[in-house]
Amino acid sequence: KNEVEQSPQNLTAQEGEFITINCSYSVGISALHWLQQHPGGGIVSLFMLSSGKKKHGRLIATINIQEKHSSLHITASHPRDSAVYICAVPSRYGGATNKLIFGTGTLLAVQP
Amino acid sequence: GAGVSQSPSNKVTEKGKDVELRCDPISGHTALYWYRQRLGQGLEFLIYFQGNSAPDKSGLPSDRFSAERTGESVSTLTIQRTQQEDSAVYLCASSPTRPIYGYTFGSGTRLTVV
Repeated sequence: KNEVEQSPQNLTAQEGEFITINCSYSVGISALHWLQQHPGGGIVSLFMLSSGKKKHGRLIATINIQEKHSSLHITASHPRDSAVYICAVPSRYGGATNKLIFGTGTLLAVQP
Repeated sequence: GAGVSQSPSNKVTEKGKDVELRCDPISGHTALYWYRQRLGQGLEFLIYFQGNSAPDKSGLPSDRFSAERTGESVSTLTIQRTQQEDSAVYLCASSPTRPIYGYTFGSGTRLTVV
């Protein structure tokens, strides 16, 4: 079983739709990251959260530490939101390395 | 600088040649990470630096891969005798000592071995 699982793997939406991407993880964590990767390959960190909810523009991220689950929501989706969205957690809670373990990503395509 | 800077952004090299990839982290970030993403695959960890020491090299795929870091500054990832399977996007990230306080990725170096 992978330590970080995302769903769905692929998602196609119409412009304006509300989008939800889910992430479940199996290890204890200090924080969870949501990342965005555009076709050019560069990665942008969207959120890092350890509890509750964070909002940035049309993006909302929530996390439930007890259930080891996080969701990324996009409101009023737009074609420019098309990208791969990746969930990541540190590999070891409180450990020295703090390297990230990545989910397989969700490929989102928003059609006009 | 304002962000994590990587160079070159693209590199095409012939099989068997050595390459050096550079990462310039955010000033003051003590932790630096190298990751790799091969085409159609997820990100995989290569190596982690805290300052200029590397407490975790567990992700380096072979002894052809090495990395060094000067103080809490620039890091260089070197791949010797490149092979076609080394073709990937190599991403660098930096953070303060504890990533809970921030984790920033560079835009990556796309390496193509022909």
